[in-house]
Amino acid sequence: GIQVEQSPPDLILQEGANSTLRCNFSDSVNNLQWFHQNPWGQLINLFYIPSGTKQNGRLSATTVATERYSLLYISSSQTTDSGVYFCAVMYGNNRLAFGKGNQVVVIP
Amino acid sequence: NAGVMQNPRHLVRRRGQEARLRCSPMKGHSHVYWYRQLPEEGLKFMVYLQKENIIDESGMPKERFSAEFPKEGPSILRIQQVVRGDSAAYFCASSPSSGSTEAFFGQGTRLTVV
Repeated sequence: GIQVEQSPPDLILQEGANSTLRCNFSDSVNNLQWFHQNPWGQLINLFYIPSGTKQNGRLSATTVATERYSLLYISSSQTTDSGVYFCAVMYGNNRLAFGKGNQVVVIP
Repeated sequence: NAGVMQNPRHLVRRRGQEARLRCSPMKGHSHVYWYRQLPEEGLKFMVYLQKENIIDESGMPKERFSAEFPKEGPSILRIQQVVRGDSAAYFCASSPSSGSTEAFFGQGTRLTVV
């Protein structure tokens, strides 16, 4: 099956810092989504981004489908940004394949 | 517009009992997916359903697990004779159609087998 790799696996940020999370995938995909799993376990949709660049507040994402990677940028991080960020790619029969996530901790 | 609703949020079962997890998709969505998240891991696809049809169950364990999405009512993920290894968070997602569409997830059901 398709492989999805996220880096770095763990990240500690000082509040106010910027960061970049990376997602590499091994094959052509139909779409790509970024999620934030908060400390209560809830999965929040951040971006639906099969290609191009999107921005939503302090977050933005870029997917370069031809080179099989996507980047999630967090600017001016806040403690509420803590949690796990998942990249998921859709392939085949509407299946989402998830990476193992980026564990982000923002300290005040 | 209510999101994907899952219940219960938490479920405790003794080994050998049955677990039934329910999922109501977002309004207007006819495609439902179940995923399982084991501790310290990402989510793994289990099954994809449309109303009254199982489209893809290639991620489901061969025994004890079944899923349905009836014409009326929520989708049900059923686990018979639960074992400790079934302890996990089970997430349901829905989308409005097939193809390259955005999937939305419920809050999950955390199953603990004691």
